[in-house]
Parts: sequence; structure tokens; C-alpha cells
Amino acid sequence: DVKVTQSSRYLVKRTGEKVFLECVQDMDHENMFWYRQDPGLGLRLIYFSYDVKMKEKGDIPEGYSVSREKKERFSLILESASTNQTSMYLCASSFASGVTSTDTQYFGPGTRLTVL
Amino acid sequence: QKEVEQNSGPLSVPEGAIASLNCTYSDRGSQSFFWYRQYSGKSPELIMSIYSNGDKEDGRFTAQLNKASQYVSLLIRDSQPSDSATYLCAVSRSNDYKLSFGAGTTVTVRA
Repeated sequence: DVKVTQSSRYLVKRTGEKVFLECVQDMDHENMFWYRQDPGLGLRLIYFSYDVKMKEKGDIPEGYSVSREKKERFSLILESASTNQTSMYLCASSFASGVTSTDTQYFGPGTRLTVL
Repeated sequence: QKEVEQNSGPLSVPEGAIASLNCTYSDRGSQSFFWYRQYSGKSPELIMSIYSNGDKEDGRFTAQLNKASQYVSLLIRDSQPSDSATYLCAVSRSNDYKLSFGAGTTVTVRA
């Protein structure tokens, strides 16, 4: 079974703090993703990575950065946390897409981040 | 116009009935379609993927895809209380890593 784990289930930080969220997958997936999920807005893509050291911006990258030094690990960094970054953060991973189809994304359990 | 739109819900159905969820998408180049189930406080888990026009059945779940009309639906037969969750529709272009998600439809199955 695919396993995607995230470093924390719940996290409380103060405004201005630097925050690290870590994600690890054990299925040798090429692709990894960070989403945030807010009521009424659904899942929104922050960043994704299709290979080690490669990253691409998603739909809402402002205020975030990422790091992928190893294939199995993808980190999301909030350089200076703000209250509007309070959200559920979900990591996902998948195999590289085929020519005509996109592979399934598997999600971690999520980190509920509260910024005070 | 949102890329992926779903019934706003919530959808309430009696136990044993059929729950019907609809999803429309705007990008005609979309080739891969997914339905995820998300229980409250949990992360999304895949129910079904569909890539070709027509129906695809897996147990009590049937996905239906119509690319010409740009919609994909999910039917849940013999609905059970354990089916109470939010269902997310996700869509992707061919050879694209990214998924576009709908906002989800919340289903409640009444015992």
C-alpha cells in the first residue's frame, strides 16, 4: 500500500514564525504535491515537484516555498507565517504521468496549521 | 467560470437509495478523471478513476464519463451510512501532473 506521511497532524505557530511542513512517501513516486484546503474553496495547489530538486508553482504559491532534496521527501516552508495561512495542508504523491493519462495522487493525513 | 464544478449539496439520501453526484469541467483537453471520498477531518482517498467515455463500475460505485458534454458523474448504489462524506471530483489534462479539484459535494445517508 502507498504510504504518505506528514510530520505533524496539528501545528500552532505565531505570526512571523518560519514554519516547516514535511512529507515523506514510500512508493518511489516521482511527483509530489502540496495543497491547502479551506472550506468552500476546495483543494488548491501550492507547489509541486516532478523530480528531485525540481519544483513548479501551483495556483497559490505566494508566501510559500518548497524543497525536495531527496525523492521521498518534499517540504513546504512558510517563510513568515501569517494568519491567512491558517488552513489544512495536504501532501500528495503520484507516479509520473503517462502520455495519455495522469496517475492517481495519494494523500497524506494532513496538517492542520493554526497561525495566531 | 471554475475549471471543475460540482453540485453544491449537501445531498441527503435514505439508506439503500442511489446517490447521484455530478461534476462538469471547462477544459476540453481533459483526459483523466477521478473521484475521491473525504471523511470529515480526514484526507481524500481515491474511489475511482475513469479515462474513457462510458461507465465504469466498482462494487456499489459507478462512474460515468461523457467528454462531449464535459461531465463526469458518480453513482452510489445501495447507499450506506458509511458513505456519508464529501466527494471530490478531480480532472487533469493528458500528460499533466496536476489535478484540478471541484469544491466537493457533501453526502449524508440517513439510516
